[in-house]
Amino acid sequence: GAVVSQHPSRVICKSGTSVKIECRSLDFQATTMFWYRQFPKQSLMLMATSNEGSKATYEQGVEKDKFLINHASLTLSTLTVTSAHPEDSSFYICSAATGGRTLHFGNGTRLTVT
Amino acid sequence: AQSVTQPDIHITVSEGASLELRCNYSYGATPYLFWYVQSPGQGLQLLLKYFSGDTLVQGIKGFEAEFKRSQSSFNLRKPSVHWSDAAEYFCAGYSDNYGQNFVFGPGTRLSVLP
Repeated sequence: GAVVSQHPSRVICKSGTSVKIECRSLDFQATTMFWYRQFPKQSLMLMATSNEGSKATYEQGVEKDKFLINHASLTLSTLTVTSAHPEDSSFYICSAATGGRTLHFGNGTRLTVT
Repeated sequence: AQSVTQPDIHITVSEGASLELRCNYSYGATPYLFWYVQSPGQGLQLLLKYFSGDTLVQGIKGFEAEFKRSQSSFNLRKPSVHWSDAAEYFCAGYSDNYGQNFVFGPGTRLSVLP
């Protein structure tokens, strides 16, 4: 149980375009989902907390206009990287908590902006 | 502020040898503690967690961890390492007192020699 599905696993886009990443909780409802960014050989950096039916809470230094988060249902949160640039290339991982205290992660999305 | 540290950036062990990965935490109160494993290009998989009770917790893939309050530690162990255990390991903490933020350690990369 507690499966989180993230799609796509890899995406390559041109500079200036937008990319949407989906995160779904398959067998549980997630009122809160989390989006992380991971640089090579580093730990996870929390970008934002996505709350169903309300605005996301962004961490300090994360541009909310560049990283748009929508959590329209209890099983789906999306992260849209708008006007992507090469510096946005990274590994993005979503997660959702069960019982409020255990995080379950998607398999991540490798974004490459050319 | 709350923190989770993993003193070892990289550990190399021979296949069949025992393993111990260190994790220390700094919280005002005992947090919930977790160990996750990440294979290259993948998301994080939960190995085990400690909430309360028995300080020795068993996880998947033959891993166990021991919570030691006196040492503020939650070290991960495995009696006999398999080549497939080579991965990145993250210790994480969570406390109700600090909102919904999970704090991750920097990770320990495990290499396994044949």
